[in-house]
Amino acid sequence: DTEVTQTPKHLVMGMTNKKSLKCEQHMGHRAMYWYKQKAKKPPELMFVYSYEKLSINESVPSRFSPECPNSSLLNLHLHALQPEDSALYLCASSQVGQGAIGYGYTFGSGTRLTVV
Amino acid sequence: TQLLEQSPQFLSIQEGENLTVYCNSSSVFSSLQWYRQEPGEGPVLLVTVVTGGEVKKLKRLTFQFGDARKDSSLHITAAQPGDTGLYLCAGARQGGSEKLVFGKGTKLTVNP
Repeated sequence: DTEVTQTPKHLVMGMTNKKSLKCEQHMGHRAMYWYKQKAKKPPELMFVYSYEKLSINESVPSRFSPECPNSSLLNLHLHALQPEDSALYLCASSQVGQGAIGYGYTFGSGTRLTVV
Repeated sequence: TQLLEQSPQFLSIQEGENLTVYCNSSSVFSSLQWYRQEPGEGPVLLVTVVTGGEVKKLKRLTFQFGDARKDSSLHITAAQPGDTGLYLCAGARQGGSEKLVFGKGTKLTVNP
């Protein structure tokens, strides 16, 4: 299995809703990432988990709450979002320490989030 | 500050033409990666270059890492409509963590 699976593929939520994005991989990767991508822009890093522990938080607002329940799963909990948070949310995984050097990242297809 | 500058930002060419996309920085990277992204999908890794001066070929795509490991190029020969997409370079800072720095991307359109 060489894929990163993200669900749902599309999500529309109101500003008072609570929702979660899910990401799963079975490649044995111990680093997992959340990226946010606005239209016609490159992906922007939000969070990095390494060995199921949060290692990087790129000053993301607290209305985004990541969770890594085990080495295969990564969640992003959403609460009280704003319309400007509408974007493609990408999950990625890699080997730890080697992810940026030899093997690269494997990205999921993303969740297209629309906040109304 | 944009650490990785990609050029051109947009490129529209006819099928069969050749093209080169550039990724430049004033910083040294331990590796550079190239990804291609299609609309509504996540980026797909094309190649990673690690050694200064390294050249890698993937069918009609040729990737080069600069001798000083500050820049990279992607050359496509005889472009096809299937090459259309957003090409992103990404670099791992020397001595950095698993964090990648992305360029702004090159939107390539190959017209039949």
